[in-house]
Amino acid sequence: SQQGEEDPQALSIQEGENATMNCSYKTSINNLQWYRQNSGRGLVHLILIRSNEREKHSGRLRVTLDTSKKSSSLLITASRAADTASYFCATDAIGAQKLVFGQGTRLTINP
Amino acid sequence: EPEVTQTPSHQVTQMGQEVILRCVPISNHLYFYWYRQILGQKVEFLVSFYNNEISEKSEIFDDQFSVERPDGSNFTLKIRSTKLEDSAMYFCASSASRGQETQYFGPGTRLLVL
Repeated sequence: SQQGEEDPQALSIQEGENATMNCSYKTSINNLQWYRQNSGRGLVHLILIRSNEREKHSGRLRVTLDTSKKSSSLLITASRAADTASYFCATDAIGAQKLVFGQGTRLTINP
Repeated sequence: EPEVTQTPSHQVTQMGQEVILRCVPISNHLYFYWYRQILGQKVEFLVSFYNNEISEKSEIFDDQFSVERPDGSNFTLKIRSTKLEDSAMYFCASSASRGQETQYFGPGTRLLVL
């Protein structure tokens, strides 16, 4: 299987609810980044968490990293219709420069 | 806030033609990247560039592809003889340093090869 796999593949929730997306990876990493992509558009960087960090917050976003399980989660609290997008995790493996992306979670916020 | 820019936003070309995709990375960044995303698929790494040379490339980045930093601001991706399967969104990214740093992505160029 691939580095940086997200689950679920699709998530549909009501506005105001919290959305949680998970990401798993296989190799040791320098850091893990989460990106958002609106349909057919560019990648917007959301948050970077380093391998020696366990949790990070940015506004309504909360990211956790468990290097022992090689997994990360992205929590979006109090979701809004504008949060509708695809969310990708991307890992930066030790010794490599490239980011390896997962397939993404397609999040739909219903008004 | 500084951002990565890309031109053109859309390009349509005939199979076998050469295309050049252009990017202006964030000005104080030193590492530059190209990625692509075929419709409905994941974002894939193509190449990274540092100190005027390729530092890493993927299997996708074959002899048909080349990158160049022709001046102090532009970073280009050339596809010499386009194939149908080159149709994708191409993203440029830049970062201040290697590892431990955010890669900032441009808005992408949507390439359609007919």
